[in-house]
Amino acid sequence: DAKTTQPTSMDCAEGRAANLPCNHSTISGNEYVYWYRQIHSQGPQYIIHGLKNNETNEMASLIITEDRKSSTLILPHATLRDTAVYYCIVIYNFNKFYFGSGTKLNVKP
Amino acid sequence: GAVVSQHPSWVICKSGTSVKIECRSLDFQATTMFWYRQFPKQSLMLMATSNEGSKATYEQGVEKDKFLINHASLTLSTLTVTSAHPEDSSFYICSARGLKNEQFFGPGTRLTVL
Repeated sequence: DAKTTQPTSMDCAEGRAANLPCNHSTISGNEYVYWYRQIHSQGPQYIIHGLKNNETNEMASLIITEDRKSSTLILPHATLRDTAVYYCIVIYNFNKFYFGSGTKLNVKP
Repeated sequence: GAVVSQHPSWVICKSGTSVKIECRSLDFQATTMFWYRQFPKQSLMLMATSNEGSKATYEQGVEKDKFLINHASLTLSTLTVTSAHPEDSSFYICSARGLKNEQFFGPGTRLTVL
């Protein structure tokens, strides 16, 4: 499975869009990009996933570059409750998840 | 999303005793579940893959005789930490695989071994 690189931490003002980048330059054609988040002392929460096309759901949008070497998770209107560690995971379908260090998003009032 | 529960949410035990943690998928059937461990300020570490009706597969470095996994039904997997020691104190999290390969995680179990 492809390795991912994420910034250690990011700040975002409440009400503004939070854009979390993930670099996966070694991704192969059949590998999916998954995003999860973990609020302190809780189990991770599924956010969104995609293969090639951009995806949107009620929580977030996932923008994958045309060469698929990077992606961005967008939380359109961040709230204080979005403060969490966000994990980007790249895997072949039905493979196991290996979590990296993730990005600590701090949403500030 | 699908709901996964864990029981207990926290447990304190004496060194040398065994502790069983249950993971249940409440509104869907899961042929595959996973067990993770997370130490403070660290990321999740995959311990093992639990497959319904067959033996679990363990990640390298995880002792299968110490961390016993049973997946007897499509909605229940259990992790038993045998002869627990203080270094086994951790946050144990399970997940169940959905139809689109997304994993739905339980709330975690905080184990403290005295």
